[in-house]
Amino acid sequence: GDSVTQTEGQVALSEEDFLTIHCNYSASGYPALFWYVQYPGEGPQFLFRASRDKEKGSSRGFEATYDKGTTSFHLRKASVQESDSAVYYCALGETGNTGKLIFGLGTTLQVQP
Amino acid sequence: EAAVTQSPRNKVTVTGGNVTLSCRQTNSHNYMYWYRQDTGHGLRLIHYSYGAGNLQIGDVPDGYKATRTTQEDFFLLLELASPSQTSLYFCAGRDGDTEVFFGKGTRLTVV
Repeated sequence: GDSVTQTEGQVALSEEDFLTIHCNYSASGYPALFWYVQYPGEGPQFLFRASRDKEKGSSRGFEATYDKGTTSFHLRKASVQESDSAVYYCALGETGNTGKLIFGLGTTLQVQP
Repeated sequence: EAAVTQSPRNKVTVTGGNVTLSCRQTNSHNYMYWYRQDTGHGLRLIHYSYGAGNLQIGDVPDGYKATRTTQEDFFLLLELASPSQTSLYFCAGRDGDTEVFFGKGTRLTVV
């Protein structure tokens, strides 16, 4: 079945560092891909999505580009802030119009001031 | 803005107990979901539905039932709760291929 793999379980950075969180997917066709962010005590919040090859999604300084060739949707930010500390989830919408949304295991980002 | 409201926010029950978690959404989302979140496992899909009366099996359905009584209401039922079901439960709603809106979660403890 379809799946999402996030390589990093935890990432520790200092403010103004460059962020990359890797996300690779396994699915046929062109599934919609999403990034979500979860702050402590809250539910996950939508960051952005992309659904076509080479489409870029972006929000709040974060961005990711849909790459069908490498089946990836890596999250990047040029300069992180302490307030970006959170858990980040990559997700895909299962193909075949099932409505099923599949999440990766999440990556915990800790940014030191 | 869409709203997904879960109740209760916290619940403690005993092993073998009967628990119902409630979820209501106010944006007429077609799809509604129940996830559980556990350290090391991320978000795992329990059950989901694409409309009133419909139920689809998720990835970790054992020990759970669900019912979608109306377009707005989606319930998760644990009829014989076990300690392994201690978790943080999230309900979510979605239309088609758009973003998913999550509730604030219900923390369930089975003692």
